Formats: sequence, C-alpha cells, structure tokens
Amino acid sequence: DAGITQSPRYKITETGRQVTLMCHQTWSHSYMFWYRQDLGHGLRLIYYSAAADITDKGEVPDGYVVSRSKTENFPLTLESATRSQTSVYFCASKDSGGNQPQHFGDGTRLSIL
Amino acid sequence: GQQVMQIPQYQHVQEGEDFTTYCNSSTTLSNIQWYKQRPGGHPVFLIQLVKSGEVKKQKRLTFQFGEAKKNSSLHITATQTTDVGTYFCAGPEYGNKLVFGAGTILRVKS
Repeated sequence: DAGITQSPRYKITETGRQVTLMCHQTWSHSYMFWYRQDLGHGLRLIYYSAAADITDKGEVPDGYVVSRSKTENFPLTLESATRSQTSVYFCASKDSGGNQPQHFGDGTRLSIL
Repeated sequence: GQQVMQIPQYQHVQEGEDFTTYCNSSTTLSNIQWYKQRPGGHPVFLIQLVKSGEVKKQKRLTFQFGEAKKNSSLHITATQTTDVGTYFCAGPEYGNKLVFGAGTILRVKS
C-alpha cells in the first residue's frame, strides 16, 4: 500500500548499536502497530499506538522503544541491538473502529551481527 | 491471553489440487480476518467474517466462520502458482489489536 512506508528496507548493524526504524502513513489512521516476523512465530506485536502521544506495549516489547509525536509517524527504536532482534519488522495502521483491517508497510529486514 | 492456532504450518501441493488451512481460537471471536503474504512481501488483507456460520467466496477462495465463532477455514480450489504465500488468520483483541495465527505456508508445484 502506497499510503504506509517504512525505511530503511534493509539494515545491517552490530550488537549494542542503537537503530531506529521509521514508519510513515498518509491516511491519518488513528492506530499504528509494530510487529516482528520470525519463522514459526508469525506476526508478534511489539508496540501499538491508538493516537498521537498514546502508546502501549504488545506481546514482545522488551528492548524496544516507540514514540508518536505526530499521527503520521511511528518510529521504533532498538536502544541497544541484540542478535535476537534480527528479524523482519512490519509497521501497520488501521482506521478507528474495531472491524477495520490493518494495512501493512513493505517491512524492514534487520540483521544484527 | 487470547491464542489463535493455525494448521498446517506448511503445505506443498501440486498445481490444480485443493488447499485448506484451519484456524482455531481459544475464545469466541467477534470477527476473524484473513491475510495473505506473498514471498518477500507484506501481509495483505483478504476478508473479514463476522456472522456465525458465515461463508464468503472470492473466486477460488472460500472462507468459513464456525457456528461457535471459535474456528475458521480458508479453502482454495484448484490451486495456481499465484496462490503461493503465507496465509494468516487473525482475531481481534481489546485495544483494536489483532492476534495472528502463526500462518500456513503454501507452496504450489507446477
């Protein structure tokens, strides 16, 4: 979907480094989500946000930090990267209303050496 | 918390064969959503089921929601190479979140 973009698409970094993954959506959706995808685990929710300045933990939040100062942006930061955080990260957004589908970005493939 | 189980984890079929993936929830669901992820791509919403016993069709894909609203299935008739990918079911959780099943990876041999 052209309305939600993630950057970078690929990133290689070293353990202990800080890395920030960016997510930007143009739909003015209220909700935004960060997932990680690992083989055998499907999509696991890291953090989500219901609106600007409102964020909450998901299933696997440890080692990650998020912020949402503007509705359209939802960056995810790994404060001190570890090898176990090597994964594919997807950002998603959805409009308010419980039954609305989520729209995913193209993902960021992150490798931590 | 809520759990969504999906089976099989992986299926490899000959082109033209049928394919089914099953989804089971530990709790009753208000609705269930299905997504498809092509290899190297991102999940894309396919459909949502809301009513008990609901059946919806999209060309060769048939989606069912169980009477008790705790299980669902996706059936593909006469698979094609364009059907390859991972199929996820997802159930709603409080806070407008979704709980995803682990997905079923479909490979089609031509």
